[in-house]
Amino acid sequence: DAGVTQSPTHLIKTRGQQVTLRCSPKSGHDTVSWYQQALGQGPQFIFQYYEEEERQRGNFPDRFSGHQFPNYSSELNVNALLLGDSALYLCASSWGDSSVAFFGQGTRLTVV
Amino acid sequence: GENVEQHPSTLSVQEGDSAVIKCTYSDSASNYFPWYKQELGKGPQLIIDIRSNVGEKKDQRIAVTLNKTAKHFSLHITETQPEDSAVYFCAARLGGGAQKLVFGQGTRLTINP
Repeated sequence: DAGVTQSPTHLIKTRGQQVTLRCSPKSGHDTVSWYQQALGQGPQFIFQYYEEEERQRGNFPDRFSGHQFPNYSSELNVNALLLGDSALYLCASSWGDSSVAFFGQGTRLTVV
Repeated sequence: GENVEQHPSTLSVQEGDSAVIKCTYSDSASNYFPWYKQELGKGPQLIIDIRSNVGEKKDQRIAVTLNKTAKHFSLHITETQPEDSAVYFCAARLGGGAQKLVFGQGTRLTINP
Protein backbone atom coordinates (compact mmCIF):
# COMPACT_ATOMS: atom_id res chain seq x y z
CA ASP A 1 0.00 0.00 0.00
CA ALA A 2 1.66 3.20 -1.19
CA GLY A 3 1.73 6.02 1.28
CA VAL A 4 1.52 9.71 0.44
CA THR A 5 3.82 10.53 -2.47
CA GLN A 6 5.05 13.97 -3.49
CA SER A 7 6.94 15.22 -6.49
CA PRO A 8 9.44 16.57 -7.09
CA THR A 9 11.60 15.96 -4.02
CA HIS A 10 13.75 19.02 -4.61
CA LEU A 11 13.28 22.16 -6.68
CA ILE A 12 15.22 25.37 -7.23
CA LYS A 13 13.39 28.39 -8.62
CA THR A 14 14.21 32.02 -9.23
CA ARG A 15 12.46 34.85 -7.41
CA GLY A 16 9.32 35.90 -9.32
CA GLN A 17 8.80 32.54 -10.98
CA GLN A 18 5.87 30.18 -10.47
CA VAL A 19 6.01 26.61 -9.16
CA THR A 20 3.68 23.61 -9.07
CA LEU A 21 4.06 20.82 -6.53
CA ARG A 22 2.18 17.53 -6.73
CA CYS A 23 0.76 15.08 -4.23
CA SER A 24 -0.87 11.66 -4.45
CA PRO A 25 -2.75 10.70 -1.29
CA LYS A 26 -2.54 7.40 0.54
CA SER A 27 -4.75 4.73 -0.97
CA GLY A 28 -8.31 5.10 0.28
CA HIS A 29 -7.88 8.72 1.34
CA ASP A 30 -9.92 11.51 -0.25
CA THR A 31 -8.70 14.61 1.59
CA VAL A 32 -5.42 16.44 0.99
CA SER A 33 -3.88 19.15 3.15
CA TRP A 34 -0.80 21.22 2.37
CA TYR A 35 1.66 22.55 4.92
CA GLN A 36 4.74 24.76 4.72
CA GLN A 37 7.64 23.93 7.03
CA ALA A 38 10.39 26.52 7.35
CA LEU A 39 13.76 25.37 8.61
CA GLY A 40 13.66 24.63 12.33
CA GLN A 41 9.92 25.25 12.60
CA GLY A 42 6.77 23.19 12.83
CA PRO A 43 4.56 22.78 9.76
CA GLN A 44 2.11 25.63 9.03
CA PHE A 45 -1.28 24.85 7.46
CA ILE A 46 -1.78 26.29 3.98
CA PHE A 47 -5.12 24.78 2.92
CA GLN A 48 -7.13 21.59 2.61
CA TYR A 49 -8.97 20.08 -0.35
CA TYR A 50 -11.94 17.77 -0.17
CA GLU A 51 -14.28 16.81 -3.03
CA GLU A 52 -12.22 19.03 -5.34
CA GLU A 53 -13.03 22.11 -3.24
CA GLU A 54 -10.87 24.16 -0.88
CA ARG A 55 -12.42 23.35 2.49
CA GLN A 56 -10.27 25.47 4.80
CA ARG A 57 -7.42 27.91 4.35
CA GLY A 58 -4.65 29.06 6.62
CA ASN A 59 -3.04 32.46 6.81
CA PHE A 60 -1.30 32.42 3.42
CA PRO A 61 -1.61 34.99 0.61
CA ASP A 62 -3.51 34.42 -2.61
CA ARG A 63 -0.21 33.64 -4.35
CA PHE A 64 -0.74 30.18 -2.89
CA SER A 65 -3.44 28.25 -4.71
CA GLY A 66 -4.33 24.64 -5.18
CA HIS A 67 -6.38 22.10 -6.97
CA GLN A 68 -7.70 18.63 -6.35
CA PHE A 69 -8.43 16.19 -9.16
CA PRO A 70 -11.18 13.56 -9.38
CA ASN A 71 -8.65 10.87 -8.40
CA TYR A 72 -8.00 12.86 -5.17
CA SER A 73 -4.47 13.87 -6.13
CA SER A 74 -3.63 17.51 -5.59
CA GLU A 75 -1.40 20.34 -6.75
CA LEU A 76 -0.05 23.33 -4.88
CA ASN A 77 0.78 26.38 -6.98
CA VAL A 78 2.81 29.32 -5.80
CA ASN A 79 3.05 32.45 -7.97
CA ALA A 80 5.53 35.32 -7.85
CA LEU A 81 7.96 33.41 -5.67
CA LEU A 82 9.73 35.24 -2.87
CA LEU A 83 12.94 34.26 -1.13
CA GLY A 84 10.82 33.64 1.99
CA ASP A 85 8.89 30.92 0.20
CA SER A 86 11.93 28.67 0.52
CA ALA A 87 10.76 25.79 2.70
CA LEU A 88 9.78 22.14 2.84
CA TYR A 89 6.25 21.75 1.47
CA LEU A 90 4.38 18.85 2.95
CA CYS A 91 1.26 17.12 1.77
CA ALA A 92 -0.91 15.16 4.20
CA SER A 93 -3.82 12.90 3.36
CA SER A 94 -6.77 11.75 5.42
CA TRP A 95 -10.24 10.28 4.97
CA GLY A 96 -13.31 12.51 5.08
CA ASP A 97 -13.58 14.24 8.43
CA SER A 98 -11.05 11.94 10.07
CA SER A 99 -8.42 13.78 12.06
CA VAL A 100 -5.72 11.19 11.35
CA ALA A 101 -3.32 12.61 8.78
CA PHE A 102 -0.36 10.94 7.09
CA PHE A 103 2.40 13.02 5.57
CA GLY A 104 4.49 12.61 2.47
CA GLN A 105 8.25 13.10 2.39
CA GLY A 106 7.87 16.68 1.23
CA THR A 107 9.21 18.86 -1.56
CA ARG A 108 12.19 21.03 -0.68
CA LEU A 109 11.74 24.35 -2.52
CA THR A 110 14.64 26.76 -2.72
CA VAL A 111 14.04 30.23 -4.14
CA VAL A 112 17.16 32.08 -5.26
CA GLY B 1 -5.72 32.74 17.80
CA GLU B 2 -4.89 29.08 18.26
CA ASN B 3 -1.42 28.29 19.53
CA VAL B 4 0.57 25.23 20.61
CA GLU B 5 3.64 25.65 22.78
CA GLN B 6 6.16 22.81 22.99
CA HIS B 7 8.99 22.27 25.47
CA PRO B 8 11.85 21.64 25.59
CA SER B 9 13.27 22.64 22.21
CA THR B 10 16.17 20.22 22.67
CA LEU B 11 16.48 17.15 24.87
CA SER B 12 19.42 14.84 25.36
CA VAL B 13 19.08 11.57 27.30
CA GLN B 14 21.15 8.47 27.89
CA GLU B 15 20.15 5.33 26.05
CA GLY B 16 17.73 3.35 28.18
CA ASP B 17 16.46 6.40 30.07
CA SER B 18 13.03 8.00 29.60
CA ALA B 19 12.22 11.16 27.66
CA VAL B 20 9.26 13.47 28.21
CA ILE B 21 8.09 16.25 25.89
CA LYS B 22 5.32 18.62 26.91
CA CYS B 23 2.84 20.74 24.98
CA THR B 24 0.16 23.23 25.89
CA TYR B 25 -2.65 24.44 23.65
CA SER B 26 -4.74 27.56 23.76
CA ASP B 27 -8.08 26.55 22.22
CA SER B 28 -10.20 24.61 24.71
CA ALA B 29 -12.29 23.27 21.81
CA SER B 30 -9.32 21.27 20.49
CA ASN B 31 -10.28 17.61 20.30
CA TYR B 32 -7.43 15.65 18.71
CA PHE B 33 -3.74 15.59 19.60
CA PRO B 34 -1.24 13.69 17.42
CA TRP B 35 2.50 13.36 17.84
CA TYR B 36 4.84 13.15 14.87
CA LYS B 37 8.46 12.05 14.54
CA GLN B 38 10.51 13.66 11.81
CA GLU B 39 13.87 12.31 10.77
CA LEU B 40 16.34 14.28 8.69
CA GLY B 41 15.19 14.66 5.11
CA LYS B 42 11.85 12.98 5.72
CA GLY B 43 8.27 13.99 6.29
CA PRO B 44 6.61 13.77 9.71
CA GLN B 45 5.60 10.26 10.76
CA LEU B 46 2.57 9.77 13.00
CA ILE B 47 3.68 7.83 16.08
CA ILE B 48 0.74 8.14 18.47
CA ASP B 49 -2.39 10.23 18.91
CA ILE B 50 -5.07 10.86 21.54
CA ARG B 51 -8.57 12.25 21.45
CA SER B 52 -10.10 14.61 23.96
CA ASN B 53 -12.33 11.93 25.53
CA VAL B 54 -9.30 9.88 26.62
CA GLY B 55 -6.76 10.71 29.33
CA GLU B 56 -3.94 8.37 28.39
CA LYS B 57 -2.89 6.08 25.56
CA LYS B 58 0.05 3.72 25.32
CA ASP B 59 1.73 1.90 22.44
CA GLN B 60 4.72 -0.21 23.50
CA ARG B 61 7.43 2.23 24.65
CA ILE B 62 5.44 5.34 23.76
CA ALA B 63 2.62 6.90 25.78
CA VAL B 64 0.67 10.13 25.58
CA THR B 65 -1.23 11.80 28.41
CA LEU B 66 -3.83 14.55 28.15
CA ASN B 67 -5.00 16.98 30.82
CA LYS B 68 -7.94 18.88 29.31
CA THR B 69 -8.43 21.10 32.33
CA ALA B 70 -4.88 22.39 32.16
CA LYS B 71 -4.78 22.14 28.36
CA HIS B 72 -1.58 20.11 28.54
CA PHE B 73 -0.53 16.94 26.75
CA SER B 74 2.75 15.06 26.95
CA LEU B 75 4.73 12.40 25.10
CA HIS B 76 6.58 9.79 27.15
CA ILE B 77 9.20 7.51 25.61
CA THR B 78 10.61 4.79 27.85
CA GLU B 79 13.73 2.65 27.38
CA THR B 80 15.03 5.04 24.74
CA GLN B 81 17.10 3.69 21.86
CA PRO B 82 19.46 5.44 19.40
CA GLU B 83 16.82 5.17 16.66
CA ASP B 84 14.52 7.38 18.76
CA SER B 85 16.80 10.32 17.93
CA ALA B 86 14.75 12.72 15.77
CA VAL B 87 12.66 15.89 15.94
CA TYR B 88 9.27 15.37 17.58
CA PHE B 89 6.25 17.60 16.96
CA CYS B 90 3.03 17.82 18.90
CA ALA B 91 -0.10 19.13 17.22
CA ALA B 92 -3.69 19.98 18.04
CA ARG B 93 -6.78 19.94 15.87
CA LEU B 94 -9.35 22.54 16.73
CA GLY B 95 -12.97 21.68 17.31
CA GLY B 96 -15.99 23.19 15.59
CA GLY B 97 -15.39 21.54 12.24
CA ALA B 98 -11.88 22.92 11.85
CA GLN B 99 -9.65 20.75 9.72
CA LYS B 100 -6.16 22.06 10.24
CA LEU B 101 -3.54 20.82 12.63
CA VAL B 102 -1.65 23.46 14.62
CA PHE B 103 1.89 22.30 15.37
CA GLY B 104 4.31 23.02 18.15
CA GLN B 105 7.80 24.24 17.38
CA GLY B 106 9.40 20.82 17.74
CA THR B 107 11.80 19.07 20.12
CA ARG B 108 15.12 17.73 18.93
CA LEU B 109 15.68 14.52 20.89
CA THR B 110 19.17 13.04 21.01
CA ILE B 111 19.80 9.62 22.53
CA ASN B 112 23.37 9.22 23.74
CA PRO B 113 24.78 5.68 23.63
